[in-house]
Amino acid sequence: EVQLVESGGGLVKPGGSLRLSCAGSGFAFSDFSMSWVRQAPGKGLEWVAFISASQYSIYYADSVKGRFTISRDNAKNSLYLQMNSLRVEDTAVYYCARDIPAVLTYYMDVWGKGTTVTVSS
Amino acid sequence: SYVLTQPPSVSVALGEAARITCGGYNIGSKNVHWYQQKPGQAPVLVMYSDNNRPSGIPERFSGSNSGNTATLTINRVEAGDEADFYCQVWDNDSDRVFGGGTKLTVL
Repeated sequence: EVQLVESGGGLVKPGGSLRLSCAGSGFAFSDFSMSWVRQAPGKGLEWVAFISASQYSIYYADSVKGRFTISRDNAKNSLYLQMNSLRVEDTAVYYCARDIPAVLTYYMDVWGKGTTVTVSS
Repeated sequence: SYVLTQPPSVSVALGEAARITCGGYNIGSKNVHWYQQKPGQAPVLVMYSDNNRPSGIPERFSGSNSGNTATLTINRVEAGDEADFYCQVWDNDSDRVFGGGTKLTVL
């Protein structure tokens, strides 16, 4: 079964840091690009960051650029999101998702259950 | 930045057809994807590249895209279809963009 499992969420103070992890199983993790997507409480989905299979391409949403860093370890079938200088508005459920390229587009076909990040003093 | 506009809510009677729209400038020139999210659960891909159903998605789900509007249609709506639905596109400038979401209520 294809599966993604996030971990690492928690409560952190504004200005603090947190590292999220996502473990992939049931598929050739190293062959697929990955994304992080978040959802603030009661709000919609917001794409956060993308990393290609080879790590050659990395992109970020403007809202997190310069503060968040996406990375992966294909030997460990794992995806990471290092979050620094956290703000109250970063409070959300963070999902990792498998990112699929298609003709002139990308979509996310497998999602984890998410991990909750709360930024509060 | 590219903006996708969805109605906040759509209501439909059990067994009828539900149509959820996603508006964007010249969206017909883009490939639109749709996700269903039930309360407390992760999103699930239900349509990709306008009108392609992933494995396991019922044939009752279909999609279309033209001009400035893309539409997800759910025929013979069931109580279990009640959820939030999000459209998504990839834009060269804005990267991966989601619509604001539509809450589907089955009456």
